[in-house]
Amino acid sequence: GESVGLHLPTLSVQEGDNSIINCAYSNSASDYFIWYKQESGKGPQFIIDIRSNMDKRQGQRVTVLLNKTVKHLSLQIAATQPGDSAVYFCAENSRESKGSQGNLIFGKGTKLSVKP
Amino acid sequence: DTEVTQTPKHLVMGMTNKKSLKCEQHMGHRAMYWYKQKAKKPPELMFVYSYEKLSINESVPSRFSPECPNSSLLNLHLHALQPEDSALYLCASSHAPGFRLSSQQFFGPGTRLTVL
Repeated sequence: GESVGLHLPTLSVQEGDNSIINCAYSNSASDYFIWYKQESGKGPQFIIDIRSNMDKRQGQRVTVLLNKTVKHLSLQIAATQPGDSAVYFCAENSRESKGSQGNLIFGKGTKLSVKP
Repeated sequence: DTEVTQTPKHLVMGMTNKKSLKCEQHMGHRAMYWYKQKAKKPPELMFVYSYEKLSINESVPSRFSPECPNSSLLNLHLHALQPEDSALYLCASSHAPGFRLSSQQFFGPGTRLTVL
């Protein structure tokens, strides 16, 4: 299940199950979204991205869904493995962001815990 | 080469010390970033360099001094830090604004800094 509180939201899944990690964004002008995976003691690792002119994009075992109507982004991981255990961050970017730079605004993160 | 490297991996320093963090990339990226990340929190943007020029300083205290000697290197000079500055310092790089993939940032593994 998923718990939200003072600590990092956590999602616990059984190995082999599918995982869905959700992210809400607030800026209607955001036109690019990216998911990162961060394992303990490491830097964020790019997983998949999506532009606002798409509503779905698939990678290897991962799918990102974008619902612009409700400003919601999700990351689906198929057949979750113990190696998928990490903190997952969504990030958004807007063409209106400071200096027109590719600045990313990160979400709070979700910790995925995979039980063998 | 799709890697961002950072040295050192770990750094312990006293409040009166002067030290430097180093970051290097050879992907031809012309935008480079410094982030600070506290435990269980998302990365917080500190500085952005675009074409070796500082384009964004997110109101970072002057005890942090960035430097971009060339298009592949990014340094962060540290002086008179406080214990609350202890964190994971992440470097990232991306294509410069105007490029199609300018929002896609690649992160290094980070430097774990402890200020005593």
